[in-house]
Amino acid sequence: DVKVTQSSRYLVKRTGEKVFLECVQDMDHENMFWYRQDPGLGLRLIYFSYDVKMKEKGDIPEGYSVSREKKERFSLILESASTNQTSMYLCASSRLAANTGELFFGEGSRLTVL
Amino acid sequence: AQRVTQPEKLLSVFKGAPVELKCNYSYSGSPELFWYVQYSRQRLQLLLRHISRESIKGFTADLNKGETSFHLKKPFAQEEDSAMYYCALSPSGANSKLTFGKGITLSVRP
Repeated sequence: DVKVTQSSRYLVKRTGEKVFLECVQDMDHENMFWYRQDPGLGLRLIYFSYDVKMKEKGDIPEGYSVSREKKERFSLILESASTNQTSMYLCASSRLAANTGELFFGEGSRLTVL
Repeated sequence: AQRVTQPEKLLSVFKGAPVELKCNYSYSGSPELFWYVQYSRQRLQLLLRHISRESIKGFTADLNKGETSFHLKKPFAQEEDSAMYYCALSPSGANSKLTFGKGITLSVRP
């Protein structure tokens, strides 16, 4: 069974704190993605990566950075958390060559910034 | 740039009624269209893709390039269909980089 695991399901942080959201996939997928999911706004792409040490900005990268040091791990970093970053964060992965549009999602990390 | 529009936020129907979840897209090239579903307390997952022309759990979706639409349909809704549904678009060859719509909640009442 394919698996994308997000290490933290629920986090509560204070404004200005540095936040790390970790994502690991065990499917040897080349592509990894970070989305945020907000009611009424759907899923919006923050960053994605097609390979180790490679990253590209998505639609809403401001206030975020990412790290991909190993193929299976893709981290989302909030350098200085703000209240408007309170959201559900979804990690996903997919194969590079298939281009089937099938993303495999994690269960999500719900972040609350106070 | 591509855009996916799901004009309704909520659709509530009775069990056995037909369902149509609307999706319109904007893209100048040949897109690939998908429907994703998220059941309560479960992960977001792929429901179906237009290139497969398949029926999954009784749902079908036809790509209408003239109307730039990809509506999801089911003739007889079941209570277990209650979920959040997202339409998504990938530019051809764009390596699974999807643009999602805002989603619609389907509620099927007994």
